[in-house]
Amino acid sequence: DVKVTQSSRYLVKRTGEKVFLECVQDMDHENMFWYRQDPGLGLRLIYFSYDVKMKEKGDIPEGYSVSREKKERFSLILESASTNQTSMYLCASSLSGGAVGGYTFGSGTRLTVV
Amino acid sequence: DAKTTQPTSMDCAEGRAANLPCNHSTISGNEYVYWYRQIHSQGPQYIIHGLKNNETNEMASLIITEDRKSSTLILPHATLRDTAVYYCIVRVATGGGNKLTFGTGTQLKVEL
Repeated sequence: DVKVTQSSRYLVKRTGEKVFLECVQDMDHENMFWYRQDPGLGLRLIYFSYDVKMKEKGDIPEGYSVSREKKERFSLILESASTNQTSMYLCASSLSGGAVGGYTFGSGTRLTVV
Repeated sequence: DAKTTQPTSMDCAEGRAANLPCNHSTISGNEYVYWYRQIHSQGPQYIIHGLKNNETNEMASLIITEDRKSSTLILPHATLRDTAVYYCIVRVATGGGNKLTFGTGTQLKVEL
């Protein structure tokens, strides 16, 4: 089975800290995605990548950046964490092209910024 | 991007069929309908997808109307473990990636 692994399940950081959220997938998927999920707002796409070193902004990229140096790893970076970035962060991956099935999601990282 | 409309919540008795509706009246001809579900505290899980024909797999059936403006996800014999938020998504393709835009979904509660 495809596995998407997020490095931390729970994370507590201070305001102003630089935060790295790591995601690794083991099925050679081209596409990787970062979402955040907040009560009443559903899942919102932050950034996605369809190839190594490629990235595209999603619907809410402000305050975030990403890095994809290797195909299997997609990192989300909060340059200076703020309390409004307290959220559940979900990583996903998928194959490219056509209707080849869906996304596989990780279990999520619950980030609290204090 | 085509938007979807789903009821906020639904209840279903255990053992009965759960029929979850979704409207996507602005869907384009080459857009697929995907269904996912999210059990509490877990990441979303892919269920099924389709273009215009009805589809069935081990988890569910997907019925898409002929005009493709709506669809229904059917869980034939719902169990307590099917309690989850169900998302109906119309897939768009942007550049080399195929991003999915999630709405707020339908909270399905399966009860004894």
